[in-house]
Amino acid sequence: AQKITQTQPGMFVQEKEAVTLDCTYDTSDPSYGLFWYKQPSSGEMIFLIYQGSYDQQNATEGRYSLNFQKARKSANLVISASQLGDSAMYFCAMREGGYGNKLVFGAGTILRVKS
Amino acid sequence: DSGVTQTPKHLITATGQRVTLRCSPRSGDLSVYWYQQSLDQGLQFLIQYYNGEERAKGNILERFSAQQFPDLHSELNLSSLELGDSALYFCASSVGETRQGNEQFFGPGTRLTVL
Repeated sequence: AQKITQTQPGMFVQEKEAVTLDCTYDTSDPSYGLFWYKQPSSGEMIFLIYQGSYDQQNATEGRYSLNFQKARKSANLVISASQLGDSAMYFCAMREGGYGNKLVFGAGTILRVKS
Repeated sequence: DSGVTQTPKHLITATGQRVTLRCSPRSGDLSVYWYQQSLDQGLQFLIQYYNGEERAKGNILERFSAQQFPDLHSELNLSSLELGDSALYFCASSVGETRQGNEQFFGPGTRLTVL
């Protein structure tokens, strides 16, 4: 079974608007972490934001916030005030169990920001 | 710049050959992870080392091997290469097994093309 599901293969957003990228996960481990990475066309993987399973508040990093709904097992990424430079592939990933464990990635969502 | 370095950036070789990919983690990071990104399989975890010892194995082929040296750099060896091994190989590093240091930072990747 898929552990990380990103149901949106591609998304368009108008510059300066907000966009939500969906991610659902599946685990029976009470301790886990959720990550979002950005991969621009140049290929590098850029860490954006992290949410731990025991964190009470949603994580925020600048224009990025993670809408964590534990009961629904969803960890959606919200990008506010989209910029042209946000056009990239976005990956949701999960770490099960202890800190330092491997990441399992979703298939990714391609985001295109229109001017 | 994540602080993780990988060499070479590009590698073109023939089927049946052997190659070595090199990774230097961020200063102070003890964990090194190798991931493979291909069009058909997506991003997959291969293997993890922590302070010189193998910590976890993923879907790594028997033709592939890795090690982490005392100075914490790591090498991924791919042998008897096949066309299907063509992919982007990422190295990532993290501080280790604490909440504060559990984010994985990725290198720029090595793009391997097998002809």
